[in-house]
Amino acid sequence: NAGVTQTPKFRVLKTGQSMTLLCAQDMNHEYMYWYRQDPGMGLRLIHYSVGEGTTAKGEVPDGYNVSRLKKQNFLLGLESAAPSQTSVYFCASSPRGGRYNEQFFGPGTRLTVL
Amino acid sequence: AQSVTQLGSHVSVSEGALVLLRCNYSSSVPPYLFWYVQYPNQGLQLLLKYTSAATLVKGINGFEAEFKKSETSFHLTKPSAHMSDAAEYFCAGGYQKVTFGIGTKLQVIP
Repeated sequence: NAGVTQTPKFRVLKTGQSMTLLCAQDMNHEYMYWYRQDPGMGLRLIHYSVGEGTTAKGEVPDGYNVSRLKKQNFLLGLESAAPSQTSVYFCASSPRGGRYNEQFFGPGTRLTVL
Repeated sequence: AQSVTQLGSHVSVSEGALVLLRCNYSSSVPPYLFWYVQYPNQGLQLLLKYTSAATLVKGINGFEAEFKKSETSFHLTKPSAHMSDAAEYFCAGGYQKVTFGIGTKLQVIP
């Protein structure tokens, strides 16, 4: 099993460009998450999904959109990138909530917006 | 709003010394608590989780944490630090929407 994979691993964008980050999991997990990690700020939740076809806003959703058309995939979109979106993005999945919400993380995508 | 607070963004210990990393959670955080570890340039991996079966939880690599409801704390400990324990540690809590602390970087001094 590959676990959680993220594509791409690195990306450089210019301000105003758009892009989509892809997260895929092969563990049949219900829940999926997108986080950003910035120095001194820990992980902040952008959006999450508790099942195929569902999405919900997290702590810092502005400037991002997501879709979960298939259970195994969770896409994060940036419509018009800004330098403030320079960060490391992590995707995670978990079987379900509560005590079962052990999250499995992908390796991360390092995004730089110039 | 739910919050998870980690006291000390950097902690240094000598090899062989006790490791204590502090985590407090707000009362609005459901009592589903986790500790994760992150090594450089990697994603996070689970160290241990509180499942309400026991207040003292044992995890991987000799780490353990004690859930204290009266103190709203879930501190992480290890009796004897190894060089390989140098990493960043995150406390987290929540039911669906999980909140992470800002992380504590552990330095182990030879």
